[in-house]
Amino acid sequence: QSALTQPRSVSGSPGQSVTISCTGTSSDVGGYNYVSWYQQHPGKAPKLMIYDVSKRPSGVPDRFSGSKSGNTASLTISGLQAEDEADYYCCSYAGSYTVFGGGTKLTVL
Amino acid sequence: EVQLVESGGGLVQPGGSLRLSCAASGFTVSSNYMSWVRQAPGKGLEWVSVIYSGGSTYYADSVKGRFTISRHNSKNTLYLQMNSLRAEDTAVYYCASPWGDILTGYYIWGQGTLVTVSS
Repeated sequence: QSALTQPRSVSGSPGQSVTISCTGTSSDVGGYNYVSWYQQHPGKAPKLMIYDVSKRPSGVPDRFSGSKSGNTASLTISGLQAEDEADYYCCSYAGSYTVFGGGTKLTVL
Repeated sequence: EVQLVESGGGLVQPGGSLRLSCAASGFTVSSNYMSWVRQAPGKGLEWVSVIYSGGSTYYADSVKGRFTISRHNSKNTLYLQMNSLRAEDTAVYYCASPWGDILTGYYIWGQGTLVTVSS
């Protein structure tokens, strides 16, 4: 039950695009198409941004997109906005358990 | 309104016990799976446990044998019984659930309840 691997931080200027990677194994990310991404602002509960690798819940801007290749999933945020500055966590189903990534702090410069 | 409201957190001594509750409204706790997720101060999210609609339960290795997840259908409430608590269990505990058409992601989250394990 090892945590998925995410970069600790990424940054970008308003209007730019950033991609956050999430690396697991064939037992989690690579084995199921059940990767989700969560946005968390300080002091707030997480918010679901992407589920089933690439699906967006209603109300999530289409600037947020997800993908997966092998054991690595990615979250891409295009057209960065100031309000996108937050922590982002990937999450994968792994059969008898679920595992989160360590989290990535996105800074909008 | 669809929401989850946790309660039961507080200060407890190492080795002690605590039971967290998560009251659901707008949906039934037994309709799908529900989970507990925790976040230690300044740290990332950690999945703790899940209970499925059929009653099957699973736990993170870090809490297996010490924590028990359950639900009370008529009270529409999820629980987490925490025994043999350790300092490293100190965290904000969230309950989380899928909802509607989204069955494979945690769409609904509670506000969290803080558990502090300290002497």
